[in-house]
Amino acid sequence: ERVMTQSPATLSVSPGERATLSCRASQSVSTNLAWYQQKPGQAPRLLIYGASTRATGIPARFSGSGSGTEFTLTISSLQSEDFAVYYCQHYNSWPPWTFGQGTKVEIK
Amino acid sequence: EVQLVESGGALAQPGGSLRLSCAASGFTFWTYWMTWVRQAPGKGPEWVANINQDGSETYLVGSVQGRFTISRDNDRNSLYLQMNSLRVEDTAMYYCARDSVVVGAFDIWGQGTVVAVSS
Repeated sequence: ERVMTQSPATLSVSPGERATLSCRASQSVSTNLAWYQQKPGQAPRLLIYGASTRATGIPARFSGSGSGTEFTLTISSLQSEDFAVYYCQHYNSWPPWTFGQGTKVEIK
Repeated sequence: EVQLVESGGALAQPGGSLRLSCAASGFTFWTYWMTWVRQAPGKGPEWVANINQDGSETYLVGSVQGRFTISRDNDRNSLYLQMNSLRVEDTAMYYCARDSVVVGAFDIWGQGTVVAVSS
């Protein structure tokens, strides 16, 4: 089972600044990697799949990159609604598919 | 409107059973893989099970194999999770999710239903 490790655990950023979140897989997952945003009391929301493809309706300030074992989610200019917890998840090969432990993006 | 609505969550005793349901609307349910994901309080999500379009393929995470069963009824646009031999560690919010055009990336989620296992 692949282990997904996210860093940092918490990221303090001012509105308008760039945020860079990392995700590392214990074994290669090619580009079979998704990113989700979760706000308190809500279900996760798909942001990125295929490591770099934005899901429907996701603003262009969200971008994903990487392949193999190293991945990055970048939020180019943080808006107030972007403060949330972000999870990466692999879907390489067959299940089980695993999520990272999350990065909380908080207001600095 | 594309929507998933879960139901069936409750307080159960260890060793007990529950059946979760997920009602889908607003999309062609029978053309999508479907998934259950759970999230324990304060933890990240955990993929639990998925099922293909006609129900002929199912997969479950190791910790629930032999105890949980995923199924679907395409005539009723519904997804199910039968949970037997419940354990305290099964306590979580359970979400029904739709696999996107890419199986394994979940683009539509329900609001979740709470399962609490305690004596």
